[in-house]
Amino acid sequence: QITLKESGPTLVKPTQTLTLTCTFSGFSLSTSGVGVGWIRQPPGKALEWLALIYWDDDKRYSPSLKSRLTITKDTSKNQVVLTMTNMDPVDTATYYCAHSPEFITGAFDIWGQGTMVTVSS
Amino acid sequence: EIVMTQSPATLSVSPGERATLSCRASQSVSSNLAWYQQKPGQAPRLLIYGASTRATGIPARFSGSGSGTEFTLTISSLQSEDFAVYYCQQYNNWPPPWTFGQGTKVEIK
Repeated sequence: QITLKESGPTLVKPTQTLTLTCTFSGFSLSTSGVGVGWIRQPPGKALEWLALIYWDDDKRYSPSLKSRLTITKDTSKNQVVLTMTNMDPVDTATYYCAHSPEFITGAFDIWGQGTMVTVSS
Repeated sequence: EIVMTQSPATLSVSPGERATLSCRASQSVSSNLAWYQQKPGQAPRLLIYGASTRATGIPARFSGSGSGTEFTLTISSLQSEDFAVYYCQQYNNWPPPWTFGQGTKVEIK
């Protein structure tokens, strides 16, 4: 059974850096073709694809946010970390991590519960 | 970036009726199209991938069709638990982003 859970601060100040951790179980991020991604959703709005890291450490980012995002993995800890710099109130959203299996690279079959992040001074 | 446009924004349907949701891509995504269901306060759930393949555990009343730029999600007989927001996502183009539509809310008529 695959599970993922996001953790991190619920409140950050403008200009600060956000660091979110996705801790997962039920699969290995060293398995060929597997990835873990991050998606966010502002309150009442649609989903936005942010970043994805693959089993071989290949990394893909949303072009509009690429300069602010970094995604890394720690296979031994079953964790994926997303950092987003220079946070702004428009970045207030629920942030989800999700499992991307080989057969639907870029899409997600199992999602974490999400973590709400508010950007405010 | 490929833009995904869903219609209608809101669909009012009575329980037991059929619901038909549309998703259009600004350029061809082949069959690399997924549908998700999201209920209030919950994470999205994968329903359909490859435009027409039901994900594990998804009831047969959910079906997907289409290819290229035009896609449809059909719920054959709406159950109470089906009232939710539905999103399409393309995962075809490289490089990313693998964009989502803006969602269709299916509400009780």
